[in-house]
Amino acid sequence: EAQVTQNPRYLITVTGKKLTVTCSQNMNHEYMSWYRQDPGLGLRQIYYSMNVEVTDKGDVPEGYKVSRKEKRNFPLILESPSPNQTSLYFCASSSPGTSVNNEQFFGPGTRLTVL
Amino acid sequence: GQNIDQPTEMTATEGAIVQINCTYQTSGFNGLFWYQQHAGEAPTFLSYNVLDGLEEKGRFSSFLSRSKGYSYLLLKELQMKDSASYLCAVRDGAGGSYIPTFGRGTSLIVHP
Repeated sequence: EAQVTQNPRYLITVTGKKLTVTCSQNMNHEYMSWYRQDPGLGLRQIYYSMNVEVTDKGDVPEGYKVSRKEKRNFPLILESPSPNQTSLYFCASSSPGTSVNNEQFFGPGTRLTVL
Repeated sequence: GQNIDQPTEMTATEGAIVQINCTYQTSGFNGLFWYQQHAGEAPTFLSYNVLDGLEEKGRFSSFLSRSKGYSYLLLKELQMKDSASYLCAVRDGAGGSYIPTFGRGTSLIVHP
């Protein structure tokens, strides 16, 4: 089954404790991205990657890191989480090009709470 | 970057028709997507427009006017399960990234 998986789905942590949210896709997509979603603010892009070893900042990259060592994986790293990073996080993937088949597929989301 | 605007909330009656508008400003328009998102769940793809005109897919249709920077999503024969947030997303190829930017979403409430 074609899918994007994220782990963990739920996480409660404390300020300053490094954490990683994993993202994996099995569709051989080149493009992957991370979003956070907050009430009233919609989906905001954190980082994106257009291929292995190619990453770039989105609209809200502060406090986050990513890596893209393999095509299928795109982990999101919070080196020193703070309460303002409490949010619902989505990973997404898509293939390059400009046709209808290039819609993004989203993971199920990770709900993070930083105390 | 893009500036995408859509209404925050709309209400409609079961069985009716509702139109959700989206306006955008972008330097290198390269396609517009509509997604549906139920509370706490991932967005799911509904429609895609890159040329002017109407795309119809069952009860859902999406319209695009590139010259006006305007799109709408039309939902017919509304059902209670259509209560969800509807996200307009615009792809801009000017900066080299073909990953869409999302509007804040329109929360649609369908009542009996």
